[in-house]
Amino acid sequence: AQSVTQLGSHVSVSEGALVLLRCNYSSSVPPYLFWYVQYPNQGLQLLLKYTSAATLVKGINGFEAEFKKSETSFHLTKPSAHMSDAAEYFCAVGWNQGGKLIFGQGTELSVKP
Amino acid sequence: EAGVAQSPRYKIIEKRQSVAFWCNPISGHATLYWYQQILGQGPKLLIQFQNNGVVDDSQLPKDRFSAERLKGVDSTLKIQPAKLEDSAVYLCASSPAGATSYNEQFFGPGTRLTVL
Repeated sequence: AQSVTQLGSHVSVSEGALVLLRCNYSSSVPPYLFWYVQYPNQGLQLLLKYTSAATLVKGINGFEAEFKKSETSFHLTKPSAHMSDAAEYFCAVGWNQGGKLIFGQGTELSVKP
Repeated sequence: EAGVAQSPRYKIIEKRQSVAFWCNPISGHATLYWYQQILGQGPKLLIQFQNNGVVDDSQLPKDRFSAERLKGVDSTLKIQPAKLEDSAVYLCASSPAGATSYNEQFFGPGTRLTVL
């Protein structure tokens, strides 16, 4: 069965430090890949998406992610964390146009002052 | 452009009661999804509509959950009767049709259901 794994349910970084959130998927077929962010009591907001164009994808709020087919990974990074980045982050994978997304279990990011 | 609207935002019911959630997708979006997000987990698809037809309802507990999308616009998700394990956030999302959509889905704020 297709699955998405986010390593680490909780990540804590200091303000200004590098943010790295990990995502791996299980499939031999290249998928569409997404990162969503969820702030408390809000819906999911798209950060960025990979759609088989450039493997390094830039998103909103300074985030970027790199698709590595050989590692079946799509890790999310940000060079310098800001307090406002504290939220839950979800990696999601889709394989068909218009089809469902399969989400990872989420990683809660905390940013310490 | 208005986003995906959902109501109510919060609902508390007793087990075995019924409850209904409403979703109005972004105007012109052909595809509508209902997800269930249990605390500490990622969203899980319950049902997907393309216009007013069901595309995927393989993970919908059909003995107690039902959903409809009349006229291909807004949608209602119902639970009857509710169980304790139905406590979750119910997210509605919509997506435009066409080859450029790449499955990007736009999410509403969700309805938080608590079953006591």
